[in-house]
Amino acid sequence: SAVISQKPSRDICQRGTSLTIQCQVDSQVTMMFWYRQQPGQSLTLIATANQGSEATYESGFVIDKFPISRPNLTFSTLTVSNMSPEDSSIYLCSVEDREGASYEQYFGPGTRLTVT
Amino acid sequence: QKEVEQNSGPLSVPEGAIASLNCTYSDRGSQSFFWYRQYSGKSPELIMSIYSNGDKEDGRFTAQLNKASQYVSLLIRDSQPSDSATYLCAVVPFYNQGGKLIFGQGTELSVKP
Repeated sequence: SAVISQKPSRDICQRGTSLTIQCQVDSQVTMMFWYRQQPGQSLTLIATANQGSEATYESGFVIDKFPISRPNLTFSTLTVSNMSPEDSSIYLCSVEDREGASYEQYFGPGTRLTVT
Repeated sequence: QKEVEQNSGPLSVPEGAIASLNCTYSDRGSQSFFWYRQYSGKSPELIMSIYSNGDKEDGRFTAQLNKASQYVSLLIRDSQPSDSATYLCAVVPFYNQGGKLIFGQGTELSVKP
């Protein structure tokens, strides 16, 4: 499976500021995903990032709050804008690996964000 | 009704026992099913994928899928304290053509020495 790295691994930010999270993959992948995991909760998809097109956002998530870039097939960024304490979560990128009829998704190590 | 449901636990089993984790899903057309293990403070790690009815075995892990009952389970044989983690069931629903995963809430497993 692909090796995925994220930067930063954690950060503490003040409300009202923005943080950009980077996701790097060691091989070219078609689709990358951004998830949020709030404290004590499961994972929720924020958006799907495709190279060469705008990200597709899930219900409840908007581009102004979570702008995403996907400049090439190995890299994506997620920005959390105008942060509030409710944005304190772990943010995870993932990539899909399709082989024939099988489909699997692998996650990066995550970015733990605390907003004060 | 939640799209993917799991018992939140915690599920406690003694070392060496079989741990049984269950998951139900609402989209009857779903085709792809996954089990992830998540240790505290870590990201989810894929441990099993299953696409057709029946059992799929990998080492101490067995995934079972019953599409008619909309039910998928994970059995862990000879449970070890290192298996203590939260286990997440994830489904790709039929309506989604982009590979989006819908996660259950996760079941916390504790294996007691």
